[in-house]
Amino acid sequence: SQQGEEDPQALSIQEGENATMNCSYKTSINNLQWYRQNSGRGLVHLILIRSNEREKHSGRLRVTLDTSKKSSSLLITASRAADTASYFCAAQHQTGANNLFFGTGTRLTVIP
Amino acid sequence: GAGVSQSPSNKVTEKGKDVELRCDPISGHTALYWYRQRLGQGLEFLIYFQGNSAPDKSGLPSDRFSAERTGESVSTLTIQRTQQEDSAVYLCASSLGDISYEQYFGPGTRLTVT
Repeated sequence: SQQGEEDPQALSIQEGENATMNCSYKTSINNLQWYRQNSGRGLVHLILIRSNEREKHSGRLRVTLDTSKKSSSLLITASRAADTASYFCAAQHQTGANNLFFGTGTRLTVIP
Repeated sequence: GAGVSQSPSNKVTEKGKDVELRCDPISGHTALYWYRQRLGQGLEFLIYFQGNSAPDKSGLPSDRFSAERTGESVSTLTIQRTQQEDSAVYLCASSLGDISYEQYFGPGTRLTVT
């Protein structure tokens, strides 16, 4: 499979704590994107990091990318109950494929 | 402005019947994608439309699946002779340009084949 993998598969934390999710992929990429999905429906784009970037911030989100290890992490700081959702990484491969390759997702539960 | 819309939101059909799913992308978005998501899984690419170019059908799982798009507007995904393994959420996304652009997703159609 060309899909990436994420770990952990599920994560449960207390409100206010930080949540870290990891993503590994299998081939060289142009960029990697993170999406959030609530209730198994539509996805919302969170952040995009390009292959020549190592770290990117957006509000309470921090994404890192290590192309030598083919891995990325998403950190959510000061979590809130509303952050409860599934989080997916999606890679744009350098192969020229027209689609993103999604990971299997991390189910985050933030306990109030 | 309006986001990506999909209809129906839920569809229950009997095995062997044909179904048609609809996607209305964001106005002005030249690219449109269809994905399938089985329960508890990531997204599986099905097909990609970009402007007037020939669609990339490389993700369609069988010849029972087909999709059309009228210009840069509405798209329909058709599944013929549905099977139980077709049960999934079908998600549509659109973007301003090619794969390097952010994708905006619709709410999906949950298909259940009984």
